[in-house]
Amino acid sequence: DIVMTQTPLSSPVTLGQPASISCRSSHSLVHSDGNTYLSWLQQRPGQPPRLLIYKISNRFSGVPDRFSGSGAGTDFTLKISRVEAEDVGLYYCMQATQLITFGHGTRLEIK
Amino acid sequence: EVQLVESGGTLVQPGGSLRLSCAGSGFIFSSYWMTWVRQAPGKGLEWVATIKLDGTEKYYVDSVKGRFTISRDNAKNSVDLQMNSLRAEDTAVYYCARGAWGAFDLWGQGTMVTVSS
Repeated sequence: DIVMTQTPLSSPVTLGQPASISCRSSHSLVHSDGNTYLSWLQQRPGQPPRLLIYKISNRFSGVPDRFSGSGAGTDFTLKISRVEAEDVGLYYCMQATQLITFGHGTRLEIK
Repeated sequence: EVQLVESGGTLVQPGGSLRLSCAGSGFIFSSYWMTWVRQAPGKGLEWVATIKLDGTEKYYVDSVKGRFTISRDNAKNSVDLQMNSLRAEDTAVYYCARGAWGAFDLWGQGTMVTVSS
C-alpha cells in the first residue's frame, strides 16, 4: 500500500502571506501510463472536500490561481501565494496511482 | 445542476446492515468511475470502494472487503454501498465522489452512519 505523509500537520499563517504544504509518498506515483495521479483537496469546516489540483499541477475549474501544485515522483507541494480568510480548513493530498490513499491532512489556520 | 446526493445513513447496531445510495444528476453518469469515501468524526478521509463505468470492476479498502459491496445502476444514475456486519469503526460520514483525471472532481454532501448499541 502507498502511504502518504503530509507536513506540517498544522500551519498558522498570516493573512496575505504564502503557505506551503508538503506531501511525500512511500512509492513513486508515476503510473504505467506515464501520468502521476497526485491531487490536492480542500475541506472547509462543515463542508465536503473540494478538488483543487489534479495530476500534480493542474488547477481544477474555478480554483483561484493563488493555488499551485508542483513536484514529481514521491515529493509534492501545494502552495498558496497569498492566504485569504476563506482558505482556512483542512488540506489533503491524494494518490490514485495504486488504488487510492489520502494523506492525514494539514490544518491551515490564520494567526 | 451537476450534483451528487447521498442518502441512507442512520443509526445501526453493531453487526447490522445498511444500504447507502448516491444519485447523480446533471452529467452523463455512465461516463464516470464512482467512489465512496468516508470520514470518521474528527478524522481524515479514507477511501472505501470504487466501481468502474460499467460496474465490471470493483475495488475495496482491505478493512471492508467481504463486508461491503459497491454497485451501480446507470439507468437510474445511482451508485450504492451495501454495508454488512457493521462495526463501531465504520461510524463516519460517507461521501460519494465522481472520478476524473485520477482525482475526485465532484463530491456529495455526505450521509452519516453511526454504528452503536
